[in-house]
Amino acid sequence: DAGVTQSPTHLIKTRGQQVTLRCSPKSGHDTVSWYQQALGQGPQFIFQYYEEEERQRGNFPDRFSGHQFPNYSSELNVNALLLGDSALYLCASSKITGGTTYNEQFFGPGTRLTVL
Amino acid sequence: SQQGEEDPQALSIQEGENATMNCSYKTSINNLQWYRQNSGRGLVHLILIRSNEREKHSGRLRVTLDTSKKSSSLLITASRAADTASYFCASETSGSRLTFGEGTQLTVNP
Repeated sequence: DAGVTQSPTHLIKTRGQQVTLRCSPKSGHDTVSWYQQALGQGPQFIFQYYEEEERQRGNFPDRFSGHQFPNYSSELNVNALLLGDSALYLCASSKITGGTTYNEQFFGPGTRLTVL
Repeated sequence: SQQGEEDPQALSIQEGENATMNCSYKTSINNLQWYRQNSGRGLVHLILIRSNEREKHSGRLRVTLDTSKKSSSLLITASRAADTASYFCASETSGSRLTFGEGTQLTVNP
């Protein structure tokens, strides 16, 4: 079991550019959540995908969008990058049972995005 | 915004000592989870305690949950240098969304 994988590991972009981050969930999991972690802070929830639809969304602007594919993998897209978007982006997978998750959420190693 | 607060922000102890970290949250939860993070890398899941549980053990870890006070604590017994990391509590509310605290930086000195 490969666990949750993310790509790329590191990424450097300039202001105004667009970026796509990718995540493959743990085998058997059907739900993917994305989090942004700024340096020295705890992760903040961006959004969650289940059955190829955005199920929940945190307090992030529309510049942040996502997608989930039939194989449960997911992408996070950020448009018009700002310096403040520099952070570690974490993907977490879980399995929804009866509408609520009671199981652990497993995190990937993250993608370190630097915006210059 | 962060729902949780963790206390202390930083903790430095000697190997073999116990480490206790506390976490508070603001709303009703389904469960509370603790994670470890080494040097800005991915989060490693440590333990999950459901809202109807009061205490849970896993190896050297002991977690308590007091829903009346909206607080939890993580105890690491007989700490090792390898336990040096940041520890985060995360409360799971409806829809499996996790809300994290700011974390406790634990340093275990050999």
